[in-house]
Amino acid sequence: EVVLTQSPGTLSLSPGERATLSCRASQSVLNLAWYQQRPGQGPRLLIYGTSSRATGIPDRFSGSGSGTDFTLTVSRLEPEDFAMYYCQQYGSPPRTFGQGTKVEI
Amino acid sequence: ELQVVESGGGLVQPGGSLRLSCVASGFVYSSHWMAWVRQAPGKGLEWVANINQDGSQIYYVDSVKGRFTISRDNAKNSLFLQMNSLRDEDTAIYYCARDSRGVFGPWGQGTLVTVSS
Repeated sequence: EVVLTQSPGTLSLSPGERATLSCRASQSVLNLAWYQQRPGQGPRLLIYGTSSRATGIPDRFSGSGSGTDFTLTVSRLEPEDFAMYYCQQYGSPPRTFGQGTKVEI
Repeated sequence: ELQVVESGGGLVQPGGSLRLSCVASGFVYSSHWMAWVRQAPGKGLEWVANINQDGSQIYYVDSVKGRFTISRDNAKNSLFLQMNSLRDEDTAIYYCARDSRGVFGPWGQGTLVTVSS
């Protein structure tokens, strides 16, 4: 099973700042996705295929990386971006998620 | 609008059973894989099971094999999860999601399952 480790656990930033979230895999993965989860809500798909934005996702969200190291970048944080973020690999069964990064004000 | 809505959660004793349901709308349900993903209180996400378009391919996480059964009714745009022999560690919010080649979305609001005596 592929283990995904996200860092940092918590990111304290202000609106307008840039957020950089890391996801490291225990072995090379082919496909990675990122999800956002706001309190009391189900997750929302942000990025799939490492760098493709899902429908309706603003272009301030971008994904990059390959092999075992992946990054989600939010170029300028909006108030609604303060939330939990999870990475997920889907190249090697079973699909697994990282433990999450909380982006807080 | 793409949407899935879960229901059926509740409080159940260890060893008990519960059946979760999910109704989908806004997309051609019968053309897509579907999945259940759960989230224990204050914890991360865990894929539980998925099923292909006609129900002929089904996969489970090891911890629920032999206890949970995923199924679907394409005529009613519905997905189900029959959960038997429930354990404390099955306590979680259970989410239904469309499974597009391993990518999950849309997700519902989830339904809470609490296993406790």
